[in-house]
Amino acid sequence: DQQVKQNSPSLSVQEGRISILNCDYTNSMFDYFLWYKKYPAEGPTFLISISSIKDKNEDGRFTVFLNKSAKHLSLHIVPSQPGDSAVYFCAASSRYSSASKIIFGSGTRLSIRP
Amino acid sequence: GAVVSQHPSWVICKSGTSVKIECRSLDFQATTMFWYRQFPKQSLMLMATSNEGSKATYEQGVEKDKFLINHASLTLSTLTVTSAHPEDSSFYICSAERDWGAKNIQYFGAGTRLSVL
Repeated sequence: DQQVKQNSPSLSVQEGRISILNCDYTNSMFDYFLWYKKYPAEGPTFLISISSIKDKNEDGRFTVFLNKSAKHLSLHIVPSQPGDSAVYFCAASSRYSSASKIIFGSGTRLSIRP
Repeated sequence: GAVVSQHPSWVICKSGTSVKIECRSLDFQATTMFWYRQFPKQSLMLMATSNEGSKATYEQGVEKDKFLINHASLTLSTLTVTSAHPEDSSFYICSAERDWGAKNIQYFGAGTRLSVL
């Protein structure tokens, strides 16, 4: 049972345009959400996070939106740059679970084309 | 940010041998570290949670005698794959949790690619 779902395995966006990566979750106990970026043969790099008490968090070109009623979050990257090409993982955690365990989605491969 | 070092980055071993992977938090102390495994084109699957000074907590389906975890200090956790077999070939990634007060964030090592011949 996938608690965190990224239904788009891949996404191609033109350089300079907006990239929108989507993520859905099923566990209503999740109260903290993160996005990680991963290059091949490397570990994931933390990108941005959002607590369930907020509906938006912005950091430079990256903005995460959270819609709790729909159990949906999205990552917006604008403007998209070639270096943004990577796999993006959505992740969620709950303060009610032990040891701050986070659950990852299956990832979306973002390709920025010139 | 925070820096987590994982070593080795790549290891090839013969079937039946044991392999140790180290995970170090270089600029912060980590009470909790995590070990993940990633199969090609799949997500990161949590194997176990490593707690400093106590036994690791393994996820369902992960053999604790197969994947030995030791978290001897606040900056070091090790994963030993014992009697490795070809099906253990995978990409293993560790993370260390850093407490920022209002939130905890996991910082990941660069991963270890294990190939068992």
